[in-house]
Amino acid sequence: QKEVEQDPGPLSVPEGAIVSLNCTYSNSAFQYFMWYRQYSRKGPELLMYTYSSGNKEDGRFTAQVDKSSKYISLFIRDSQPSDSATYLCAVVSWGKFQFGAGTQVVVTP
Amino acid sequence: GAGVSQSPSNKVTEKGKDVELRCDPISGHTALYWYRQSLGQGLEFLIYFQGNSAPDKSGLPSDRFSAERTGGSVSTLTIQRTQQEDSAVYLCASSFGTGNYNEQFFGPGTRLTVL
Repeated sequence: QKEVEQDPGPLSVPEGAIVSLNCTYSNSAFQYFMWYRQYSRKGPELLMYTYSSGNKEDGRFTAQVDKSSKYISLFIRDSQPSDSATYLCAVVSWGKFQFGAGTQVVVTP
Repeated sequence: GAGVSQSPSNKVTEKGKDVELRCDPISGHTALYWYRQSLGQGLEFLIYFQGNSAPDKSGLPSDRFSAERTGGSVSTLTIQRTQQEDSAVYLCASSFGTGNYNEQFFGPGTRLTVL
């Protein structure tokens, strides 16, 4: 069993819709939680990180962590075609990163 | 440079040949990571360096894979006697350190195809 599970999608939504992405993890030792965005043929880039349960907002993006359920989410409000990318969750413990498989998101105009 | 660079961007090789992939991290970053990304598999950790030392080689899939880093900067990932299952995108990342939160900055990757 992988330490981080993420549905690979693809997830297709119309422009303006809310995109909801999530991951589950198995080890309660993970302390930091991140979301990366990866455009086609590019390396991943950090979108958001958090280390506590609850919500963290940054513009149209909200990261949510529920440590009791070992569940992390990313919400994208008012989605744009430029949000079309693969989104990877990552969990970190003692400096070691474990990445999810990534969810491909397609926002159609 | 402004970011992490990797070369070559694409590499096509024949089964059984050796390949070398290069990573130039961001100047001043002491930590360097290698990952492999296959379709639908996410990022698979291979190895990381702190300075020139590799404290964690646990992700290297076989003894055909090796990596080195010299001068605390450039790193080379070598795959000997390549196999078709080695085909993937190999990503390099660097960061200031290896603590719980040190953002990893990724390069664009090397797309390896083994025929």
